[in-house]
Amino acid sequence: GENVEQHPSTLSVQEGDSAVIKCTYSDSASNYFPWYKQELGKRPQLIIDIRSNVGEKKDQRIAVTLNKTAKHFSLHITETQPEDSAVYFCAASGGSYIPTFGRGTSLIVHP
Amino acid sequence: DAGITQSPRHKVTETGTPVTLRCHQTENHRYMYWYRQDPGHGLRLIHYSYGVKDTDKGEVSDGYSVSRSKTEDFLLTLESATSSQTSVYFCAISEEEVQETQYFGPGTRLLVL
Repeated sequence: GENVEQHPSTLSVQEGDSAVIKCTYSDSASNYFPWYKQELGKRPQLIIDIRSNVGEKKDQRIAVTLNKTAKHFSLHITETQPEDSAVYFCAASGGSYIPTFGRGTSLIVHP
Repeated sequence: DAGITQSPRHKVTETGTPVTLRCHQTENHRYMYWYRQDPGHGLRLIHYSYGVKDTDKGEVSDGYSVSRSKTEDFLLTLESATSSQTSVYFCAISEEEVQETQYFGPGTRLLVL
């Protein structure tokens, strides 16, 4: 089955800095890569996703890049703000349509 | 948020007792899932359903059973709760057109003493 590795497990940045979270996957058949944000005590919520026919996707301050050859994808957050503090999960899915999640990255943005 | 609720939201129980968690959706989506979330482990799939009475196991299904008698309800049962099943349980739904995108319920925090 699919295996998704996510790094780092914790990321601490100053407000205004950029943050990058990286994930690798094992199944070359995976073709959909969503990112979820989970604020403390809340449910995970989809913030951005990318399919394998696209190399990069942006939505305001967040972007996701995908390298299918190397089987890794990354979340980029620019101009971080305190409200970006949360746990971020990457995931990968392919033929089964059921995503396999990474273990999460706790992002802390210091004012 | 998608029309998805979970009950109860918090529960404390004792080892050996049966526990049933309920997930209810108003979106009429075909696919429903149960996950558990534990520190350092992310979200792990317990069971999922692809229609009424159609269910299958996920990666951590031991000790859990599920039932889906109506489209809107997906029940997760711990037959005999153990302390290792202390966790936060999330239900999720996805629509047929974009099965891979999941929408999560608010979660149930379960403590087994």
